[in-house]
Amino acid sequence: DAKTTQPTSMDCAEGRAANLPCNHSTISGNEYVYWYRQIHSQGPQYIIHGLKNNETNEMASLIITEDRKSSTLILPHATLRDTAVYYCISKGNNDMRFGAGTRLTVKP
Amino acid sequence: DTGVSQDPRHKITKRGQNVTFRCDPISEHNRLYWYRQTLGQGPEFLTYFQNEAQLEKSRLLSDRFSAERPKGSFSTLEIQRTEQGDSAMYLCASSLTDGNSPLHFGNGTRLTVT
Repeated sequence: DAKTTQPTSMDCAEGRAANLPCNHSTISGNEYVYWYRQIHSQGPQYIIHGLKNNETNEMASLIITEDRKSSTLILPHATLRDTAVYYCISKGNNDMRFGAGTRLTVKP
Repeated sequence: DTGVSQDPRHKITKRGQNVTFRCDPISEHNRLYWYRQTLGQGPEFLTYFQNEAQLEKSRLLSDRFSAERPKGSFSTLEIQRTEQGDSAMYLCASSLTDGNSPLHFGNGTRLTVT
């Protein structure tokens, strides 16, 4: 499974869009990009995943570059409850390997 | 609640004791995964099952660790002769067999070895 790199931490103002970047330059053609988040003392929560097309659901949007070497998770109107560690993972048909993620802090 | 269920939520044990954790996956999910997470780190893969077959084990899974999924439904993770370094959150996840289906995690069992 390809390695991903993310910034260690980010801040975002409440009500603004939070844009979380992820680099996965060694991703292979059959590997999807997944995003999870984890709030303290809870298990990781699935957010969204995609292969090459942009995806949107009720939680977030996922923008994947045309070369698939990077992606951005967008939380359109961040709230204080979106404060969490966000993990970007690229995965084929095997197990899911997590990095250290990005700690997003939403500030009032 | 039809999500992944783990029991117990917390376990405190003395060094050298054995502990066993249980995971009940989402009912229609064939795959079941175990992860370990220490403070400030992302979850680390330990092992996974497809139905009752254990298909992959990480090097992190020492011979003191054993996982079973006897009937392809719930799973247990046992740690024998616990050490202080085993203190961590143990997470279980499940997914459909389709390799691209996302994993759905439980809220974990926090183990403290004193």
